[in-house]
Amino acid sequence: DIQMTQSPSSVSATVGDRVTISCRASQGIRSWLAWYQQKPGNAPKLLIYAASSLQTGVPSRFSGGGSGTDFTLTIYSLQPEDVATYYCQQVDTFPYTFGQGTKLEIK
Amino acid sequence: EVQLVESGGGLVQPGGSLRLSCAASGFTFSTYWMSWVRQAPGKGLEWVANMKHDGSDKYYGDSVRGRFTISRDNAKNSLYLHMNSLRVEDTAVYFCTREHSTWNYGFDNWGQGTLVTVS
Repeated sequence: DIQMTQSPSSVSATVGDRVTISCRASQGIRSWLAWYQQKPGNAPKLLIYAASSLQTGVPSRFSGGGSGTDFTLTIYSLQPEDVATYYCQQVDTFPYTFGQGTKLEIK
Repeated sequence: EVQLVESGGGLVQPGGSLRLSCAASGFTFSTYWMSWVRQAPGKGLEWVANMKHDGSDKYYGDSVRGRFTISRDNAKNSLYLHMNSLRVEDTAVYFCTREHSTWNYGFDNWGQGTLVTVS
């Protein structure tokens, strides 16, 4: 199975900051990576698909990049409503696998 | 509006069985791959299984293969997860998800989940 490793596990930042979360796959997954945002008590929400494409309705301050084994999710100008846990997921090979999550908090 | 509503969760003893259902509406159910994803209390997400739009293909995660069976009834716009030989570690919220219409694009709609407790 493909292992997905996110870093950091948690991050605390100030409103307006740029925040970057990394995700590494244990083998190449081309660009078949999705990012999700999960707020407490809610279901996850798709933010980014195909590594860098923004899902409809997602604010443009979210941006994804990378290919192969290394990927990033960047939030430009952090907002209070971005407090959540973020997950990456490889959708290249079955079984699909998720990263362990990165919890984002506001300082 | 796309809606996915799970039901069937509850408390079950180890070794027991349970069937989860997902009622879909707001889209043409019979044209989408569908998945189940679970989340143990306070933990991360784990993909469980998925099924092709016409039911001809299905895949499972390592931890449930051989114990869980995914199925669907396109006439009823419903997805199911039959869970047998349940273990304490199967305790989780189970989400029904719709896979993006383009292959490999992730899961673009999620239900609110149903809690399964094995104890």
